[in-house]
Amino acid sequence: GAVVSQHPSWVICKSGTSVKIECRSLDFQATTMFWYRQFPKQSLMLMATSNEGSKATYEQGVEKDKFLINHASLTLSTLTVTSAHPEDSSFYICSARVTPLAKQFFGPGTRLTVL
Amino acid sequence: AQSVTQLGSHVSVSEGALVLLRCNYSSSVPPYLFWYVQYPNQGLQLLLKYTTGATLVKGINGFEAEFKKSETSFHLTKPSAHMSDAAEYFCAVSEGNTDKLIFGTGTRLQVFP
Repeated sequence: GAVVSQHPSWVICKSGTSVKIECRSLDFQATTMFWYRQFPKQSLMLMATSNEGSKATYEQGVEKDKFLINHASLTLSTLTVTSAHPEDSSFYICSARVTPLAKQFFGPGTRLTVL
Repeated sequence: AQSVTQLGSHVSVSEGALVLLRCNYSSSVPPYLFWYVQYPNQGLQLLLKYTTGATLVKGINGFEAEFKKSETSFHLTKPSAHMSDAAEYFCAVSEGNTDKLIFGTGTRLQVFP
């Protein structure tokens, strides 16, 4: 089956620094990738949808200048958390799909801890 | 607005016992409903989904779910639990045939020998 990887699987950083998380589709080309965030004991919340070669679409309440998304190729999307603060500590998950409304394949997630 | 409620953050069953994971949804339009499973250190995998048609949906690994519109429910069941079923299970809804998934908070299933 289709595989989506994320790197790193976990990261600890100091407050004020920026962190980049990569999402890769390993054996298929993903025209669209999705970024989710999950706080402890809460549900996955969609943050943004990114289409290859165009700007990401952010969900209401998600700061686009803080969470920079780049979908530069059909197999790679990156999420950069800029000037991270402790409240950004969370589990970040990406998913990818080939065609509109097709099945989404999820990555294993990245746990971000901001000290 | 759509929402999903999963009753019980933890469910424990004995191996061979019935598995029942509850999911209720709220949607103003005909929903598409999903169950995902997440094993440790892996991404979410689609177990099954309901779109239209038959309300009893069969998925992988012996799981099935029944869409009950009158109860706004989409509970997940498996007649006989296996140790390998231990995982986190997420119910999700989408607003018709769209990409946007709204997830529940998840239910961790433990299976005891």
